[in-house]
Amino acid sequence: DQQVKQNSPSLSVQEGRISILNCDYTNSMFDYFLWYKKYPAEGPTFLISISSIKDKNEDGRFTVFLNKSAKHLSLHIVPSQPGDSAVYFCAASFLNRDDKIIFGKGTRLHILP
Amino acid sequence: DVKVTQSSRYLVKRTGEKVFLECVQDMDHENMFWYRQDPGLGLRLIYFSYDVKMKEKGDIPEGYSVSREKKERFSLILESASTNQTSMYLCASSFGQGSYEQYFGPGTRLTVT
Repeated sequence: DQQVKQNSPSLSVQEGRISILNCDYTNSMFDYFLWYKKYPAEGPTFLISISSIKDKNEDGRFTVFLNKSAKHLSLHIVPSQPGDSAVYFCAASFLNRDDKIIFGKGTRLHILP
Repeated sequence: DVKVTQSSRYLVKRTGEKVFLECVQDMDHENMFWYRQDPGLGLRLIYFSYDVKMKEKGDIPEGYSVSREKKERFSLILESASTNQTSMYLCASSFGQGSYEQYFGPGTRLTVT
């Protein structure tokens, strides 16, 4: 039973254009949503997060949008750069002491020259 | 900068061997986690620990055990390695108390033959 779903295994975007990665979740009690980025042969690195009480968070080229009624969040990357080619994991967390995160299966983003 | 190190980047073991994967973090984090990453399955939590000598099962604990004798070190043990445990193993740590952001090590690619 997947609580965090990334339905697109891969996505190809032209360099300079906008990349939009989507994520759906089933549990309305999640407190935080996070995006992690992973290059091959490296561990995931934290990219950006959003609290469940907000609907948008922006950090440079990265913006995360949260639509609670639809239980949907998206990560926008503008403009897309070659170094953005990686696997992106959507994740969700409850605000408690163990900091457990529930990850989606990931979306591989290819930035085309 | 938070540093999470894992004892090996690549490991090859035989079926039935006992395997130890070590993880060390240098930021005095309370919580530590072990995941495995497989193609199409994303990151799956094996075990986590929110304090020294404390451990909790994750989503896929079967065939694994863990040890946390010191705050900075979290070990994953495969009691009798099997070929279906061939995977990328990722260790992570977090500050605790609802900080939710996890910091990952570089991963250990384990092959069981």
